[in-house]
Amino acid sequence: GENVEQHPSTLSVQEGDSAVIKCTYSDSASNYFPWYKQELGKRPQLIIDIRSNVGEKKDQRIAVTLNKTAKHFSLHITETQPEDSAVYFCATNFGNEKLTFGTGTRLTIIP
Amino acid sequence: DAMVIQNPRYQVTQFGKPVTLSCSQTLNHNVMYWYQQKSSQAPKLLFHYYDKDFNNEADTPDNFQSRRPNTSFCFLDIRSPGLGDAAMYLCATSREGGGYYGYTFGSGTRLTVV
Repeated sequence: GENVEQHPSTLSVQEGDSAVIKCTYSDSASNYFPWYKQELGKRPQLIIDIRSNVGEKKDQRIAVTLNKTAKHFSLHITETQPEDSAVYFCATNFGNEKLTFGTGTRLTIIP
Repeated sequence: DAMVIQNPRYQVTQFGKPVTLSCSQTLNHNVMYWYQQKSSQAPKLLFHYYDKDFNNEADTPDNFQSRRPNTSFCFLDIRSPGLGDAAMYLCATSREGGGYYGYTFGSGTRLTVV
């Protein structure tokens, strides 16, 4: 079936340290991998995405890496700041027009 | 300049009383989605419209229905809300399929059933 596993479910890091969140997916047909950030009570917002023809993408302090062979992709946040505290969701499309989301990671940045 | 607007932001309804949530968009996107999200869980897709074509998820209860009268508007109807239907309902839009271009989410409607 179409399944996205996300780990860890909670993550606490000291301000300034790096955070890494990993997702694995079940279907090699997946070709689009976005990451969403959701602050408490707010809508999910796209922060970075990657397509299957690329292995890594970076945008300032945020990067995403994709390993198609192993069917996993990861979000990397460097030099973390308090405003990075939120719930992060990975997602993928399993080759079709809708996204299936991971179970979410609650990231807490400790000042 | 909100582009995907959900109304109302908060909705309280009585057990068993039909309720309608609305979503409108100014993006002229082809595809509109309805997701249910319970307390920090992953958003769960209920159904989506690709233009006028309705696509229901296999595990979406019959209690949930949807209408899309035109490109800009989409409605979620819950015919007989139960306590288990209390959740945040998120509308999202995408051009040509969010599976390839990502979504723009609305602010959500938080539904409380009493």
